[in-house]
Amino acid sequence: QVTLRESGPALVKPTQTLTLTCTFSGFSLSTSGMCVSWIRQPPGKALEWLALIAWDDDEYYNKSLKTRLTISKDTSKNQVVLTLANMDPVDTATYYCARISRGGAWSFDSWGQGTLVTVSS
Amino acid sequence: QSALTQPASVSGSPGQSITISCTGTSSDVGGYNYVSWYQQDPGKAPQLVIYEVSNRPSGISNRFSGSKSGNTASLTISGLQAEDEADYYCSSYSTSTLIHSYVFGTGTKVTVL
Repeated sequence: QVTLRESGPALVKPTQTLTLTCTFSGFSLSTSGMCVSWIRQPPGKALEWLALIAWDDDEYYNKSLKTRLTISKDTSKNQVVLTLANMDPVDTATYYCARISRGGAWSFDSWGQGTLVTVSS
Repeated sequence: QSALTQPASVSGSPGQSITISCTGTSSDVGGYNYVSWYQQDPGKAPQLVIYEVSNRPSGISNRFSGSKSGNTASLTISGLQAEDEADYYCSSYSTSTLIHSYVFGTGTKVTVL
């Protein structure tokens, strides 16, 4: 059974750096074709893809946020970490991590429950 | 990159069929068959209902079907049921920014009358 769980601060101040951790089970990020992605959703708004890290360490980012985002993985711990620098109130959102793989035809087939991050002084 | 375009809302009576469109470009929807659809209940995480344009994951009702023509993908829900009331999002692999990326749609609220 595949599970993912996001963890991190619920509240951050403007200009701070957000660090979120996705802890997963039921698959391995060392398996060829396996990836983990981060997606966010501001309250009442649409989903926005943020970043992806692949089994081979390749990283891909939303071009509009690329300068602020960093994604990394610890395969031994089954964790993926996302950092978003210089947080602003517009970054207030529920942040999700999701599995995406070649075997799943590059669809987000399993999601975490999400973690709401509020940016406020 | 720009979000894929979906109607803001679609409604139907129980038993009817509804179709949600998802319009992109030749750099995403039109160029690849990696189009997927997600159902999101209020306060919940999205759930995959269609992948690779028209395939259903295990456990998803066969009332959900997908298709694509040109730069527009579509999700059809037949035999509409009260439990289908939710927000729906499409997604596509994209090379519009010249790098591997993904893009989501603007979202559609489905109301069962």
